[in-house]
Amino acid sequence: GDSVTQTEGLVTLTKGLPVMLNCTYQTTYSPFLFWYVQHLNEAPKLLLKSSTDNKRTEHQGFYATLHKSSSSFHLQKSSVQLSDSALYFCALREKDSNYQLIWGSGTKLIIKP
Amino acid sequence: EAGVTQSPRYAVLQEGQAVSFWCDPISGHDTLYWYQQPRDQGPQLLVYFRDEAVIDNSQLPSDRFSAVRPKGTNSTLKIQSAKQGDTATYLCASSLDGGRQNTLYFGAGTRLSVL
Repeated sequence: GDSVTQTEGLVTLTKGLPVMLNCTYQTTYSPFLFWYVQHLNEAPKLLLKSSTDNKRTEHQGFYATLHKSSSSFHLQKSSVQLSDSALYFCALREKDSNYQLIWGSGTKLIIKP
Repeated sequence: EAGVTQSPRYAVLQEGQAVSFWCDPISGHDTLYWYQQPRDQGPQLLVYFRDEAVIDNSQLPSDRFSAVRPKGTNSTLKIQSAKQGDTATYLCASSLDGGRQNTLYFGAGTRLSVL
């Protein structure tokens, strides 16, 4: 069945450094990938989404590119800020369907001064 | 535009007690979802509705959990006899057009602790 894998459970970085959070997926259908961010005691919010192969999508300084050849949708930022500390979830949906999201296990990102 | 509203924000129960969670989705959103999110884990879908109809409740522990959305707007999720394993945050989310708009809007959640 469909699945999403986030390999890092916890990432700790110093402010100003770059970050990449890994997301790979498995599906036999055309994928639609999402990144959601959840700050402490807040609701998850959509950060990025894409269904277009090899096209970079950006929002709030974060960016990701869907690569169907490697089944990946890694989240990146060139310079992290203290406010980026949060839980980040990658999620998969079959494109053009009303099937529900399949969520990764999440990566907790902690940014230190 | 008002977001998804959930209440209560917190609940603390003894095992065996009952609790209800309430959700008011974004006005006009036809699809409503209930998720269970254990601490530091991803959300797990329990049930979702399109208008008042249940579309998928296959992950809802039906012996103790129930969910309704009688008029296709607000929804209630109820746990009849809570267990310690139910300790989690319960998130409500809504979307347009059955989710085809590709964006879920989440409420802040209800954090449940079962002692």
